[in-house]
Amino acid sequence: GENVEQHPSTLSVQEGDSAVIKCTYSDSASNYFPWYKQELGKRPQLIIDIRSNVGEKKDQRIAVTLNKTAKHFSLHITETQPEDSAVYFCAARRAMKTSYDKVIFGPGTSLSVIP
Amino acid sequence: EAQVTQNPRYLITVTGKKLTVTCSQNMNHEYMSWYRQDPGLGLRQIYYSMNVEVTDKGDVPEGYKVSRKEKRNFPLILESPSPNQTSLYFCASSASGGFGYTFGSGTRLTVV
Repeated sequence: GENVEQHPSTLSVQEGDSAVIKCTYSDSASNYFPWYKQELGKRPQLIIDIRSNVGEKKDQRIAVTLNKTAKHFSLHITETQPEDSAVYFCAARRAMKTSYDKVIFGPGTSLSVIP
Repeated sequence: EAQVTQNPRYLITVTGKKLTVTCSQNMNHEYMSWYRQDPGLGLRQIYYSMNVEVTDKGDVPEGYKVSRKEKRNFPLILESPSPNQTSLYFCASSASGGFGYTFGSGTRLTVV
């Protein structure tokens, strides 16, 4: 069945360094790829997303890249800060023939930024 | 303020005692969904609703029911809770299916 894999499951970086999280998806019909950040004890929040007709998108220190051929997309965080410490979830959305839009989440990456 | 409101935040109950977790959004979103979050498994979809009176199963619907009588409300019902339903539950909504969810604050359910 459809699934989304996410690596690594945990990541520790020094403050100021970059962090990269990679996801792969199995369903080639997926057309929308959001990233959510979940701080400890809080709800997931959308931080950036990309659609299948775009290869890269940036928003200040975060960027997402998409390789449709290889079916993977990545989150890049530059100049990391302690407040970037959180669990990050990727997801892939597919518009189904029945008009049901299925969103599948990856298992999450726990990012720790060490001051 | 645009938001998704879930209640209660925490709930401890006993096996077999029916319970309802409420979810309400004030953004006039058509699409609403329930997820459960378990360690190492990410967010798994329980049920979703494309609009009023339109609901369908997600990936893990067993043991759950939902209803969508009004656009703003999407309650999750556990008719006979079991310990394997102990989890963190999130309600989410979006203007159209799957694009840019807004999540509720979560309900931590423990079934003993």
